[in-house]
Amino acid sequence: DVVMTQSPLSLPVTLGQPASISCRSSQSLVHSDGNTYLSWFQQRPGQSPRRLIYKVSNRDSGVPDRFSGSGSGTDFTLKISRMEAEDVGVYYCMQGTRWPPSFGQGTKLEIK
Amino acid sequence: EVQLVESGGGLVQPGGSLRLSCAASGFTFRSSWMTWFRQARGKGLECVANIKPDGSEKYYVDSVKGRFTISRDNAQNSLYLQLDSLRAEDTAVYYCARGVAFSWDYWGQGTLVTVSS
Repeated sequence: DVVMTQSPLSLPVTLGQPASISCRSSQSLVHSDGNTYLSWFQQRPGQSPRRLIYKVSNRDSGVPDRFSGSGSGTDFTLKISRMEAEDVGVYYCMQGTRWPPSFGQGTKLEIK
Repeated sequence: EVQLVESGGGLVQPGGSLRLSCAASGFTFRSSWMTWFRQARGKGLECVANIKPDGSEKYYVDSVKGRFTISRDNAQNSLYLQLDSLRAEDTAVYYCARGVAFSWDYWGQGTLVTVSS
């Protein structure tokens, strides 16, 4: 199975400041069709996961443009350009390239 | 508006069974891959089982193979997960989600399964 490793696991950020979360996979996430199926999810306290980013860098409808995804192969990053109070929660990267889909451990984003 | 509503969770003894349901609306269910995920309290997310739009292919993670069965009724826009031979480590919130291009864009609110004597 593909192991996804996130860092840091806890990230206190001052409001208005940027934040960055790293995600590494144990195998390349490039699918045989040439696409890379790496997604990012946000889970606010008491809520179900919400997808923010798919295929590395594509933002979902309604997701603020302060969220961006980048990376390739085995190394990926989620960036928040300016931290807002509503961004508090746990963020997960997830690979869908190989069965079974697998998630990182989660990064807890909080206000400093 | 896409909606996924899970039900059927509850308290069950080790070795017992439960059947979870997921009612879908707001999209063409019969054309969509559907997946069950779970999340133990305070823990991360885990994929459990996946089913093709026509139900002809089903995939399971190793930890539930032979114990859980995923199924669907496209006429009723419903997804199911039969949980048998339940263990304490199956205790979790179970989510259904819609699969699109090797990702999952809509998730339900979850239903809690507690396995305890």
